[in-house]
Amino acid sequence: AQSVAQPEDQVNVAEGNPLTVKCTYSVSGNPYLFWYVQYPNRGLQFLLKYITGDNLVKGSYGFEAEFNKSQTSFHLKKPSALVSDSALYFCAVRNLSPGANNLFFGTGTRLTVIP
Amino acid sequence: NAGVMQNPRHLVRRRGQEARLRCSPVKGHSHVYWYRQLPEEGLKFMVYLQKENIIDESGMPKERFSAEFPKEGPSILRIQQVVRGDSAAYFCASSSLGESYEQYFGPGTRLTVT
Repeated sequence: AQSVAQPEDQVNVAEGNPLTVKCTYSVSGNPYLFWYVQYPNRGLQFLLKYITGDNLVKGSYGFEAEFNKSQTSFHLKKPSALVSDSALYFCAVRNLSPGANNLFFGTGTRLTVIP
Repeated sequence: NAGVMQNPRHLVRRRGQEARLRCSPVKGHSHVYWYRQLPEEGLKFMVYLQKENIIDESGMPKERFSAEFPKEGPSILRIQQVVRGDSAAYFCASSSLGESYEQYFGPGTRLTVT
């Protein structure tokens, strides 16, 4: 079975400071990992993905994530936070069961960037 | 370049009524997924469809819920005899299998059962 865990419900960071939103995964095999962001009353927007290749993945809006196999982590990072980054962030892993293609989502981390 | 379209955006139903939620995928995408999000929770997978086929419905409740993706027209998620516990945001996503695996999400339908 595949799953992801987001250990922090809430992350607060000052504008201009670096931010990290944590995600750990549990999969049998090579993981397909994703980060999505959700603004209030909106759908999810794709930020970035890891399928294979470089462990550091760059995505939209200046976000990046580092795939760490030994720690089974896929933390989302940004060097300098903006107030507009305040939103709900979801980590997800693709279902690798035969015939399946859905995503399993974490419970989400609410990021608040303080001006 | 239209993304995933869902309608209605908001739907209010009384207990016992039927709810029909519609989803038009990204043009050219042949894979559709439905997810449900309860307040302050992550998204839970419900069903995965391709044109005229249900591929995986392991997340669908056994009763009252059904989904289809006909050859022509949008995908439909149908909830019969709604109960208050069905109140949630229902999101549709689409993808095109190939080298890219990301799913593109619609804005969701917020169902309120009174």
